[in-house]
Amino acid sequence: KAGVTQTPRYLIKTRGQQVTLSCSPISGHRSVSWYQQTPGQGLQFLFEYFSETQRNKGNFPGRFSGRQFSNSRSEMNVSTLELGDSALYLCASSLIGGNTEAFFGQGTRLTVV
Amino acid sequence: AQKITQTQPGMFVQEKEAVTLDCTYDTSDQSYGLFWYKQPSSGEMIFLIYQGSYDEQNATEGRYSLNFQKARKSANLVISASQLGDSAMYFCAMREGGSGANNLFFGTGTRLTVIP
Repeated sequence: KAGVTQTPRYLIKTRGQQVTLSCSPISGHRSVSWYQQTPGQGLQFLFEYFSETQRNKGNFPGRFSGRQFSNSRSEMNVSTLELGDSALYLCASSLIGGNTEAFFGQGTRLTVV
Repeated sequence: AQKITQTQPGMFVQEKEAVTLDCTYDTSDQSYGLFWYKQPSSGEMIFLIYQGSYDEQNATEGRYSLNFQKARKSANLVISASQLGDSAMYFCAMREGGSGANNLFFGTGTRLTVIP
């Protein structure tokens, strides 16, 4: 069974640009959550999608957005990139959410210069 | 208040010895889940073990066990027979079930170093 796949693995972008990251969950999993990991703030929740609907959102500005497709694949977009957006972005896949196991992808390391 | 507290920024353990990584949590929900993840330098978060708040038995997965003490709100990870490949960051996380939210709250992590 394939795990959670995140693409691309590495990205370098310039301030002011926008970026789209992709996450393919484990087959059959319908819940996809996104997290940002930085040395200063640790792991912070961005948002969660379930059945193509955003079910929960963390405390991030509107420049961070996402969506989920009918096959449960999810994308997150960051517009008007800032230097502080440099981070490891991790996607987690769960069967339905709630008190079930959550599996992460390898992450996308974004560097903003 | 922090929902997950990991008080050990770094730990050292001799190869083949057991080690306990501490985790305390704070929630008013009756239904919640506790998770431990391992993050090697490559960055991926590897799921290790899960404990539900209603589970009466401590969770075990191979060399990993979770010492769940509900009254003390602690969920310590025990790694038996440490191996060099266990050197990594370890994160404790919690998901609260009462609100319907699905997000995980993470601790700050413990960096484990296994010494040959």
